[in-house]
Amino acid sequence: NAGVTQTPKFQVLKTGQSMTLQCAQDMNHEYMSWYRQDPGMGLRLIHYSVGAGITDQGEVPNGYNVSRSTTEDFPLRLLSAAPSQTSVYFCASSYSINPADTQYFGPGTRLTVL
Amino acid sequence: QKEVEQDPGPLSVPEGAIVSLNCTYSNSAFQYFMWYRQYSRKGPELLMYTYSSGNKEDGRFTAQVDKSSKYISLFIRDSQPSDSATYLCAMSSDRGSTLGRLYFGRGTQLTVWP
Repeated sequence: NAGVTQTPKFQVLKTGQSMTLQCAQDMNHEYMSWYRQDPGMGLRLIHYSVGAGITDQGEVPNGYNVSRSTTEDFPLRLLSAAPSQTSVYFCASSYSINPADTQYFGPGTRLTVL
Repeated sequence: QKEVEQDPGPLSVPEGAIVSLNCTYSNSAFQYFMWYRQYSRKGPELLMYTYSSGNKEDGRFTAQVDKSSKYISLFIRDSQPSDSATYLCAMSSDRGSTLGRLYFGRGTQLTVWP
């Protein structure tokens, strides 16, 4: 099993550009989520999904879109990048939304918006 | 007030020392308490998980939860240089709007020197 994979590893954008961060898992997990990690702020939940076709907002959803057409993939779209979105983005997955299920994190995407 | 508070450190100790890491929280609905370890430029990985109050031991690691004080701790005995990482506490509940969401502390950066 590859676990949770994320691409790209690094990305530099200009203000106003759009892009999609990719996340995939091969563990047949229903629950997937996106976090951003900023210095001094910890990880904050952006969006999450409890299964294909079902998504919901987390703590900091503004400026981001998600969709979930398959169990395996959960892409995160930045519609019009802003410098405030400079961060490290982590995707995570778990068997279900039950907090007793371990969440597995991907290696992260480091995004810089100029 | 942030939901979860964690002293970011940094914490620097000699090999063999006992390390104590702590978090406090404000939401009494939290029932699931986790500690994640994050090596530099990697994704977080689950270290320990505790449900409700009490202690849990796993090798050199002990997690304690005191719900009456809204305080959790992670103790590392006989610390090793390989324990050098950032330690993140995280919490969740199985009810209401916080179901399945992980709320993270800022993380404590630990260095164990030989």
